[in-house]
Amino acid sequence: DAMVIQNPRYQVTQFGKPVTLSCSQTLNHNVMYWYQQKSSQAPKLLFHYYDKDFNNEADTPDNFQSRRPNTSFCFLDIRSPGLGDAAMYLCATSRDWGLARLTSTDTQYFGPGTRLTVL
Amino acid sequence: QKEVEQDPGPLSVPEGAIVSLNCTYSNSAFQYFMWYRQYSRKGPELLMYTYSSGNKEDGRFTAQVDKSSKYISLFIRDSQPSDSATYLCAMMGGANSKLTFGKGITLSVRP
Repeated sequence: DAMVIQNPRYQVTQFGKPVTLSCSQTLNHNVMYWYQQKSSQAPKLLFHYYDKDFNNEADTPDNFQSRRPNTSFCFLDIRSPGLGDAAMYLCATSRDWGLARLTSTDTQYFGPGTRLTVL
Repeated sequence: QKEVEQDPGPLSVPEGAIVSLNCTYSNSAFQYFMWYRQYSRKGPELLMYTYSSGNKEDGRFTAQVDKSSKYISLFIRDSQPSDSATYLCAMMGGANSKLTFGKGITLSVRP
């Protein structure tokens, strides 16, 4: 059974038209992450939530926002998508953050991704 | 210098070959080392996890970490066409759970 679910799997939007991507999890994990992955590149962390605390990466553009209304759901809002925002957007979860010692079950679980096309 | 460098690909091998995938890193604070496998149009899935230096084996897969050289490897024995995917190395420090990924290498195993 899917543990991290992303909707939609494919999203097409127009240049400048706001878009929202959705992520939900059945793991009851405290931490949810959003990554951007462009072709042949490493996933790039945009931000993460530890419970309700929002943590933005320093180089994440203001165009990207996120909401986490409850433990299970997290949304990525792109206010004015540009052509350079076309990418795969990956949601991930982990049980906790900043543990003194991690085990394999503390690592991040990824969803299948949403591929965003900007026309 | 990037924090994590991964051998560029793509890599194509015949079925049954032994595959060696490698990453180097510069941040000596990294303690946790992972390999993720990503099939086309899917999210990464955790394949191997290692804490600190040493070897870890799981079936046909062996992960090696050499912290003194800042070098990690993933070996795949008796490679199968179903192993065809992109392999991403990833690392994290202790208190900070932020994952730092390599770019990934695409492996193709020919029947």
